[in-house]
Amino acid sequence: DVKVTQSSRYLVKRTGEKVFLECVQDMDHENMFWYRQDPGLGLRLIYFSYDVKMKEKGDIPEGYSVSREKKERFSLILESASTNQTSMYLCASSLWDSFNGYTFGSGTRLTVV
Amino acid sequence: AQTVTQSQPEMSVQEAETVTLSCTYDTSESDYYLFWYKQPPSRQMILVIRQEAYKQQNATENRFSVNFQKAAKSFSLKISDSQLGDAAMYFCAFPMGHAGGTSYGKLTFGQGTILTVHP
Repeated sequence: DVKVTQSSRYLVKRTGEKVFLECVQDMDHENMFWYRQDPGLGLRLIYFSYDVKMKEKGDIPEGYSVSREKKERFSLILESASTNQTSMYLCASSLWDSFNGYTFGSGTRLTVV
Repeated sequence: AQTVTQSQPEMSVQEAETVTLSCTYDTSESDYYLFWYKQPPSRQMILVIRQEAYKQQNATENRFSVNFQKAAKSFSLKISDSQLGDAAMYFCAFPMGHAGGTSYGKLTFGQGTILTVHP
């Protein structure tokens, strides 16, 4: 069964900490994505990668960075966590044109205290 | 900019009845595809149905079907014979990039509609 795996389901971090959210896919997909989900706002794209070492900012990249050193792994980094980054984070992957849609991970609910 | 709008924050339906969730979008593209995703309480986003814009026939997957009206830029999801397991948040999604560009493949999502199914 094909999968996108997010390393943590729940995380609690302190303000100012550096936070790493990891995502791994086993489908040899070119594209990987990090979205943030907040009530009433739907899913908002943080960062997008269409190839190894390639990345593109989404709609809300401020306060985040990403790393894609290998095709199967896409990491989201919160350089200095703040309380307004408390949210649900969803990782997804797709073929280059997303013709068949995304495959999503199970999400990480991050709480910054 | 390409946008997706779900105007119904919440909907409810009786078990075994039919419900329709609405979605409208805005694009200047002529060939594209659209998706409906389901997010149950378990949080795992699941692809429900996919529609290609060049196909006039509406897509159907078992109890799920779409009413795709290209001229009106409308893409609604109909759930027939609703079941308790259909209770979830539903998102419609649409590609935000232009064909051929490196941004192609990014999806933009609507705000979501929470569906409650009453026994």
